[in-house]
Amino acid sequence: DAKTTQPPSMDCAEGRAANLPCNHSTISGNEYVYWYRQIHSQGPQYIIHGLKNNETNEMASLIITEDRKSSTLILPHATLRDTAVYYCIVRYRGQTGANNLFFGTGTRLTVIP
Amino acid sequence: NAGVTQTPKFRVLKTGQSMTLLCAQDMNHEYMYWYRQDPGMGLRLIHYSVGEGTTAKGEVPDGYNVSRLKKQNFLLGLESAAPSQTSVYFCASSGGSQPQHFGDGTRLSIL
Repeated sequence: DAKTTQPPSMDCAEGRAANLPCNHSTISGNEYVYWYRQIHSQGPQYIIHGLKNNETNEMASLIITEDRKSSTLILPHATLRDTAVYYCIVRYRGQTGANNLFFGTGTRLTVIP
Repeated sequence: NAGVTQTPKFRVLKTGQSMTLLCAQDMNHEYMYWYRQDPGMGLRLIHYSVGEGTTAKGEVPDGYNVSRLKKQNFLLGLESAAPSQTSVYFCASSGGSQPQHFGDGTRLSIL
């Protein structure tokens, strides 16, 4: 199962773009990259996911390198409410076919006023 | 929209007591999951289910049992609680390959 490496913490000025990196050098061809975030002690919130191509939704953009060994989550205009722990996760299939997620320790993003 | 609902939100137990955590989802999802999160750490998968009547072990299953008697419910049981099981427990559900939706957690303390 591919594991991920993220910086433990980052700061970002309010209104600026937040770029959160993630390394997943052992990712296999059929594994997706997922991003979730966790605000305070709430349940994780899904942000975005992708396989090969760059993805964008109303929350963020996901840039995956051509060799798929790393990716970057971009929050285009960070607000104070984006302060959270961000998890980069490679989805794998469990023995019975479930799409299990392996959470690491994530990146604690602090948006500074 | 209720989504994923966990009951109870808080609980304090004594060592050796038993209890059941309830997770309910109203999205008709096939898959359901139980995680635990210890301070400063990410979530770790305890057990999961791919459908009614089925369960499977995750990363840290010891000391826990689960049941999925109804599609919308996934129960996590602690038969004999230990202080090491003090944690925040999260339930999640998903439909097929879709992203998982999480509940707000159950904060469990075992004295």
